[in-house]
Amino acid sequence: AQRVTQPEKLLSVFKGAPVELKCNYSYSGSPELFWYVQYSRQRLQLLLRHISRESIKGFTADLNKGETSFHLKKPFAQEEDSAMYYCALTGTGGGADGLTFGKGTHLIIQP
Amino acid sequence: EPEVTQTPSHQVTQMGQEVILRCVPISNHLYFYWYRQILGQKVEFLVSFYNNEISEKSEIFDDQFSVERPDGSNFTLKIRSTKLEDSAMYFCASSIGYSNQPQHFGDGTRLSIL
Repeated sequence: AQRVTQPEKLLSVFKGAPVELKCNYSYSGSPELFWYVQYSRQRLQLLLRHISRESIKGFTADLNKGETSFHLKKPFAQEEDSAMYYCALTGTGGGADGLTFGKGTHLIIQP
Repeated sequence: EPEVTQTPSHQVTQMGQEVILRCVPISNHLYFYWYRQILGQKVEFLVSFYNNEISEKSEIFDDQFSVERPDGSNFTLKIRSTKLEDSAMYFCASSIGYSNQPQHFGDGTRLSIL
């Protein structure tokens, strides 16, 4: 069964400090990995996906197949980064697979 | 920028009653999804829909649930006889393709079963 684990329910860091949100996954194949973000009173929105290998709002995430991880990183946190962050995966089986989400990490950036 | 819209934002229903949650996906998207999030728990996949039929469904999506695309724009989730444990936030999403294509989410409908 596929599973996404985000070990930290809450992460609090000071502005300007580095941020790393952990995500580990379990999947018996080659998954597609995503990070979604939900800012206060806003909808879930895609932050980035591993296939595009891009940096969005200063965040990057590298897929490590050996460690089955997809940690989200940012070198210098900003106050506007405070939000709920969800790691998610989907299969590549050819059907419209739904996303399997982790429980989410609430990131708080302190001034 | 086009958005997925969901109505109503909050639905209160008596246990045992039928409820229909509505969604308008982004117009050129072909894949549609429903998810739910029980308070304090993770977002869970319910069902996906493509080409006017269910593509995938989870164990949660039992005979009490059904989905429909009654016209060219709406995508609905029906719960036939609601239970207390159906109380949750229900999210609709749509995507232009599947797999690595991003899913765009609506604001959700908060369903409260009394």
